[in-house]
Amino acid sequence: QKEVEQNSGPLSVPEGAIASLNCTYSDRVSQSFFWYRQYSGKSPELIMSIYSNGDKEDGRFTAQLNKASQYVSLLIRDSQPSDSATYLCAATNSGYALNFGKGTSLLVTP
Amino acid sequence: EPEVTQTPSHQVTQMGQEVILRCVPISNHLYFYWYRQILGQKVEFLVSFYNNEISEKSEIFDDQFSVERPDGSNFTLKIRSTKLEDSAMYFCASSGTGREDSPLHFGNGTRLTVT
Repeated sequence: QKEVEQNSGPLSVPEGAIASLNCTYSDRVSQSFFWYRQYSGKSPELIMSIYSNGDKEDGRFTAQLNKASQYVSLLIRDSQPSDSATYLCAATNSGYALNFGKGTSLLVTP
Repeated sequence: EPEVTQTPSHQVTQMGQEVILRCVPISNHLYFYWYRQILGQKVEFLVSFYNNEISEKSEIFDDQFSVERPDGSNFTLKIRSTKLEDSAMYFCASSGTGREDSPLHFGNGTRLTVT
C-alpha cells in the first residue's frame, strides 16, 4: 500500500513564528508533490506544488523536497491565526491521481 | 476566477437508494476527478476521467459507482445502491492537462448522508 504519512498534530505555534510541517511518502514512483490547506468542512485549496529536489518559495510559504529521503516539508513564515487549518500533503501515484496524507492540524495562537 | 461547481451541497438519502452527484468542471479543463473524504479521515481518490472514459480508478470505485459526462459541461457520479459507509464528503476536481504538474482545482463538495 503506497502511503503518504503526516503527523496529525495538532501543531501549535504562536503568531509570527515559523510553522514547519512534514510529510513522508512510500511510493518511489511519485514525481509531483502538493500541499493543500483545508479548513473544517471545506474543500482542499492548493498552496504549493513542488516537482524537483530543493526548495521552492512562494510568499510566506516554502516547500522542500528530498526525493532520496522521500520527504516533503512546508514552512510557513510569519504564521497568522488565519493559517489555522489542516494541511494536506499529496503525491502523485503511478498515474496522475493524488494520494493524500491524513493531514496535520495547525493552530496559530494570537 | 473560474471554479468547479458541485450540486447539491448536501444530499440525504436512505440506504439502498440511488444518488447522483453533479459537478461542472472549469470550462477549458480536460481531466475530471472524484475524491471522497469520510469524516475525520483522509481525502481518497475514486476515479479520473478523460476523453469520455475512465482513465484510472481506485479499489473503492466498485460496480456500484459510475461516472458520466452527459453533455459538454456536467460530470456526474452515480452511486447505485447506497450503503451507510458511503456517507462522506464527495469532491469533484478538474485539471487542465492531467499532467503531473497541472494542479487539481476542487469544488466545494457534496456532503452525502446515508441513513
